[in-house]
Amino acid sequence: AQTVTQSQPEMSVQEAETVTLSCTYDTSESDYYLFWYKQPPSRQMILVIRQEAYKQQNATENRFSVNFQKAAKSFSLKISDSQLGDAAMYFCAKDSGAGSYQLTFGKGTKLSVIP
Amino acid sequence: DSGVTQTPKHLITATGQRVTLRCSPRSGDLSVYWYQQSLDQGLQFLIQYYNGEERAKGNILERFSAQQFPDLHSELNLSSLELGDSALYFCASSVVGKGGELFFGEGSRLTVL
Repeated sequence: AQTVTQSQPEMSVQEAETVTLSCTYDTSESDYYLFWYKQPPSRQMILVIRQEAYKQQNATENRFSVNFQKAAKSFSLKISDSQLGDAAMYFCAKDSGAGSYQLTFGKGTKLSVIP
Repeated sequence: DSGVTQTPKHLITATGQRVTLRCSPRSGDLSVYWYQQSLDQGLQFLIQYYNGEERAKGNILERFSAQQFPDLHSELNLSSLELGDSALYFCASSVVGKGGELFFGEGSRLTVL
């Protein structure tokens, strides 16, 4: 069974600063997708960013970017210019790579933003 | 708003009981996924349906079952409930194809007393 590990249960960042959340995963597949989801107190899961393993270029979505290291099986999320609304649980996830959209999630990182 | 609707939002019941959670996917999405989020297990994939047929199974207990109806809405049935079944149950839907975004509903919070 594949695993996704987020080693930082909690993190905090000063407003307007940059923070990086870590994620590592285990897989034997060569083609797969990786995701970061955000879960604010409203509890709805919201996709932040995704990365296809075959793409060399790191994905970027506005203030959110990833550092994807395929050989190291590492997929970190960088949040720039942090805002109060970024405070949430962040989950790293990987698909099954088998054509079915099953995601394996990490345990999550709780991000606090300090005004 | 993701477009995925789940009911009920909150549910409190007793051990041994049976409940049904309902999900309406986004318009046009054929795939429906059920996930369970609990404090000890985190987010776990339960089951996937595609256009009425079961497509994949994850860590779903035998006491749990699901189905997807011709109008594409889905129901997750949980029976012989135990305290440990207390969790947030998410439904999600997606367009066809790998790498497509999963759109999650707001979840159904189940409390078993």
